[in-house]
Amino acid sequence: DAMVIQNPRYQVTQFGKPVTLSCSQTLNHNVMYWYQQKSSQAPKLLFHYYDKDFNNEADTPDNFQSRRPNTSFCFLDIRSPGLGDAAMYLCATSRDRPDTQYFGPGTRLTVL
Amino acid sequence: AQSVAQPEDQVNVAEGNPLTVKCTYSVSGNPYLFWYVQYPNRGLQFLLKYITGDNLVKGSYGFEAEFNKSQTSFHLKKPSALVSDSALYFCAVRDMRGNTGKLIFGQGTTLQVKP
Repeated sequence: DAMVIQNPRYQVTQFGKPVTLSCSQTLNHNVMYWYQQKSSQAPKLLFHYYDKDFNNEADTPDNFQSRRPNTSFCFLDIRSPGLGDAAMYLCATSRDRPDTQYFGPGTRLTVL
Repeated sequence: AQSVAQPEDQVNVAEGNPLTVKCTYSVSGNPYLFWYVQYPNRGLQFLLKYITGDNLVKGSYGFEAEFNKSQTSFHLKKPSALVSDSALYFCAVRDMRGNTGKLIFGQGTTLQVKP
C-alpha cells in the first residue's frame, strides 16, 4: 500500500545533541511537509518542500533544518535540541500544494 | 486573518447516538476545508474535505460534514457513534495566501464515546 513512513516512531535525545528524523513516501507526491505538534495541540507547520524547492515558515527557529535528497525521502534535522523541542513531529505529503495532505504516524521526540 | 475555531474542547456522546463536532472558519475567498482524526500517539488520518459542490460531504468511517457558507461553518457529523470513534478531531482550512498549501488547524476537539 502507498503510504507515508516515519522513522523512528520514538526518539530520545539529550539536550543539545543533534538529532535527525526521517520521512519516506511511496505516493510519489511532489510536496512534503514537516509539522510540530505539542501536547495534543494543533500541528504547526515548520517548512515544506515542493519538489526540490524548500519553503521555510517565517517563525520556524534556525535550529530546525530539512533535507530532501530525492522525491521519496525528507529529513528533519534539529541541530541543538532544547527541552522545548520535545514534541510529536509529523510528516505529510500531497500530490500538489492544493491537494489533500496525507500524514505519517509521527515521531515522538523526547529531550532529556 | 484566516483562522479556524473549534469551540468545544471535548464532546461526550453515548454509543449509538448521533454526534456533532463543530467547526467555524474565517478565510478570504472560497474555503478549502478538511477534517482529520488523530488517535493517541498516531498521525492525522484524513476523513473528508470540501472544495466545491454539494454542501454535504461524505467521508471515511461513516462521517459526513455540512458546509454552511452563511454561517461559515463546517460541522462534522455521524448518525450513530461508536466507542472506537473516540479520538482527537481537527478541522483545518487551506491558507489561500501565497501558494504554500499550508493548512491552518483548529485547536482540536476530543470526542469521547461512552458505551
